[in-house]
Amino acid sequence: SQQGEEDPQALSIQEGENATMNCSYKTSINNLQWYRQNSGRGLVHLILIRSNEREKHSGRLRVTLDTSKKSSSLLITASRAADTASYFCATDARGNAGKSTFGDGTTLTVKP
Amino acid sequence: EAGVAQSPRYKIIEKRQSVAFWCNPISGHATLYWYQQILGQGPKLLIQFQNNGVVDDSQLPKDRFSAERLKGVDSTLKIQPAKLEDSAVYLCASSLTHGQVGTQYFGPGTRLLVL
Repeated sequence: SQQGEEDPQALSIQEGENATMNCSYKTSINNLQWYRQNSGRGLVHLILIRSNEREKHSGRLRVTLDTSKKSSSLLITASRAADTASYFCATDARGNAGKSTFGDGTTLTVKP
Repeated sequence: EAGVAQSPRYKIIEKRQSVAFWCNPISGHATLYWYQQILGQGPKLLIQFQNNGVVDDSQLPKDRFSAERLKGVDSTLKIQPAKLEDSAVYLCASSLTHGQVGTQYFGPGTRLLVL
């Protein structure tokens, strides 16, 4: 079974709007990472948040982590057409160091 | 810095045939991963190497899949014989650290179609 599950499965917005996608997981984690995958390409690492952190920023990206709810969210502000991609969360479960488990992703479409 | 290299980019074979994929990780990265990504799903870890030793191969179908990482650098993943359900993208990734997961750098993947 998947450790991380993204929600929604698909999201369509207009350029300039904000996009929020969520990730829920089942077991305690050391850290959680978000990746982006453009169609037909490999995954690109976006941001890593450790279990003792609550929020991280990177450019237009903002990630939050709520370990009590076992959930994380990725916010992309002022979206652009180039942000169109699939976004995956990957969790490193405690006691399973070195192994990431990916969810099935959120497909984001940003319309120009 | 050169990225993770994979070849071939595309492969079409018939069921019961054999196929091999090659991966060259980023120089100096001790940890290497092979993932299988079926259309519409997230990557599923097949095998993880630390240098030339296997750390995790619990999800590798060992009756048909094999992988090696000679000299702790390049790696090959082989499927023999292939089944229709093996049609997927095979992703190779590498990272600098082990223990606590570090950033994984992914190659472009090999898209396999089994007919």
